[in-house]
Amino acid sequence: DTAVSQTPKYLVTQMGNDKSIKCEQNLGHDTMYWYKQDSKKFLKIMFSYNNKELIINETVPNRFSPKSPDKAHLNLHINSLELGDSAVYFCASSPLHGTSQSLLDTQYFGPGTRLTVL
Amino acid sequence: EDQVTQSPEALRLQEGESSSLNCSYTVSGLRGLFWYRQDPGKGPEFLFTLYSAGEEKEKERLKATLTKKESFLHITAPKPEDSATYLCAVQTFDRDDKIIFGKGTRLHILP
Repeated sequence: DTAVSQTPKYLVTQMGNDKSIKCEQNLGHDTMYWYKQDSKKFLKIMFSYNNKELIINETVPNRFSPKSPDKAHLNLHINSLELGDSAVYFCASSPLHGTSQSLLDTQYFGPGTRLTVL
Repeated sequence: EDQVTQSPEALRLQEGESSSLNCSYTVSGLRGLFWYRQDPGKGPEFLFTLYSAGEEKEKERLKATLTKKESFLHITAPKPEDSATYLCAVQTFDRDDKIIFGKGTRLHILP
């Protein structure tokens, strides 16, 4: 059984288009995240949701909008795609219980979505 | 400015040749330091969390240690299957709880 799944695995699109990446976790975790990993393999957190509420929102363009329909899903919608958006996007989840627990403890990552903007 | 630096960028070892990877950090306050392993084409896999200086954790051939300025990931008698990129990340203890990753160390173990 896949713990954290993402679709699609690969996404190739033209500049200016709008696209979405879906993420689902079947671990019963309270917190989900989106990360971006650039061509130099540098991993940067973008968003974090706890029980459908946004708790981390790093400095990313407002063209990126996370949407959490329920605790098990966190989708990433990107408007007006640009060349610089090309990267691998990872979804992750963790069993966060209260604010005293470190946010990064025992994160489970999805397989990634490689986005290529032409 | 909060910063995480990993060294070396890449490391090639013979099977059985022990070594250490370094993660040095400069942060206003450390909430936790984390080590991950990432295989090509896959998401990072959680290895360890360290919270305070002097803390050590072990898992198979890996041992992570933490001081007030850096962390080491010691690999004892590595095997080819230990080849991967090892990522270090810190979470800061400030208003925003920033999460900062290092650029990783690519480890290649030769049989």
